[in-house]
Amino acid sequence: SQQGEEDPQALSIQEGENATMNCSYKTSINNLQWYRQNSGRGLVHLILIRSNEREKHSGRLRVTLDTSKKSSSLLITASRAADTASYFCATDPYNNNDMRFGAGTRLTVKP
Amino acid sequence: NAGVMQNPRHLVRRRGQEARLRCSPMKGHSHVYWYRQLPEEGLKFMVYLQKENIIDESGMPKERFSAEFPKEGPSILRIQQVVRGDSAAYFCASSPLGQEETQYFGPGTRLLVL
Repeated sequence: SQQGEEDPQALSIQEGENATMNCSYKTSINNLQWYRQNSGRGLVHLILIRSNEREKHSGRLRVTLDTSKKSSSLLITASRAADTASYFCATDPYNNNDMRFGAGTRLTVKP
Repeated sequence: NAGVMQNPRHLVRRRGQEARLRCSPMKGHSHVYWYRQLPEEGLKFMVYLQKENIIDESGMPKERFSAEFPKEGPSILRIQQVVRGDSAAYFCASSPLGQEETQYFGPGTRLLVL
C-alpha cells in the first residue's frame, strides 16, 4: 500500500536550478527515506532521515523532516540533466513493519 | 485486483539452510524487482526481472543468491546456505510493461537466520 504522498507529481526545471519535492505521510514513523528511480531501473536509495532528526545533507541533496506536520522535503541544488528521474519517499511506520511508498515526483531537468 | 503478494511474511531459518521467498506480481504486470532492507537502512536494489529473463542483477551477491521469474507462477528469490547476515526484510515490487517507472510494492518477507 502507498502512504507517502509526494508533490508535485511532476516538476520540470532548467539545469542549474534547485528542485524541491515534498512528501506527506499519515502515521508515526521510525524513519523516512528518499529514493530515485531512473526510467526502467530499480530504486536507488538516496538518504534516510530518522524521526528524531530535522535535517540531513548528502552532497547536493538536503532533506528536512517535520514530524509535527508529518512532512518531508527533498531539495536538489544546482540540478543537472542527469538528475532527471522519479523521486519517491517511503516511510517506515512506528508500529508495524510495512514500508509505505508514495507515487513519486517525476523530475525533468532540461539542459 | 489484488496487490503484490509475498509469502511467507516471516521466515526463520538456521544457518546453512535454504530460504525461498515468493513474490506474485499484480495481475498483468510483467516486471518484478527485488530489494533487501537491513534494519534501519534503506532498500537496496538486488535484481530486476521480466518473465523468463533477468534484466539487471547488478545488486545481487555473486554467491548463494539467485532469482527467477518463470513464465507461470511467482518470482522466487532463493538464498542458499543462509548466514546470519542474510537476516533482513526482502521486498518485491512489480510494474506493468511500458510503465517501469511505476512500482507497486509487496508487504515484504522478513527473514531471520538463527
